[in-house]
Amino acid sequence: DGGITQSPKYLFRKEGQNVTLSCEQNLNHDAMYWYRQDPGQGLRLIYYSQIVNDFQKGDIAEGYSVSREKKESFPLTVTSAQKNPTAFYLCASSTRDGAQETQYFGPGTRLLVL
Amino acid sequence: AQTVTQSQPEMSVQEAETVTLSCTYDTSENNYYLFWYKQPPSRQMILVIRQEAYKQQNATENRFSVNFQKAAKSFSLKISDSQLGDTAMYFCAFMLGFGNEKLTFGTGTRLTIIP
Repeated sequence: DGGITQSPKYLFRKEGQNVTLSCEQNLNHDAMYWYRQDPGQGLRLIYYSQIVNDFQKGDIAEGYSVSREKKESFPLTVTSAQKNPTAFYLCASSTRDGAQETQYFGPGTRLLVL
Repeated sequence: AQTVTQSQPEMSVQEAETVTLSCTYDTSENNYYLFWYKQPPSRQMILVIRQEAYKQQNATENRFSVNFQKAAKSFSLKISDSQLGDTAMYFCAFMLGFGNEKLTFGTGTRLTIIP
């Protein structure tokens, strides 16, 4: 089946630890995105990548890092510099459907700090 | 910068009734796209409907339709014949035109369908 997968579903981080969230898509989409969702808020963009080996910061990139070595994969690392990492993280990918892009989302990863 | 406002944090409606969710946005651009996403308890974000700003005709997808008022910068979602499976958070989102694919989201409306 075509789709976007995220792993793990739940992730626990200890103080001072870096953790990596996985996002894989087999939709042959060029662009991929990472969003953060906090309770009572909408999604906020962390990083995005429109092509392999290139990515841009979103609105809340501090404390996060990404890589885009393959078209199918866009992992997000939450570093120890991110002081409030507890949130729900959503990965998305997009294709240009005619003249516009539509973003499709993975099932998400919930990150908790121990 | 673009902003999206959803002024109804929570709504509830009886099954089979019609409900309208409100969304307003602010932009100085002329070409853009608007979306409604649904997030059920599973937390998967699901695209409900999308609208291109250059189109005057309102988008429809089965029981879902929008009322797009470009001059008023309003983009409401109407759900007809509501079903229990429509219970979810609904997010309005904005995207600038071709080449700038960042989505800006509102804070969401929690919709409950009552049996």
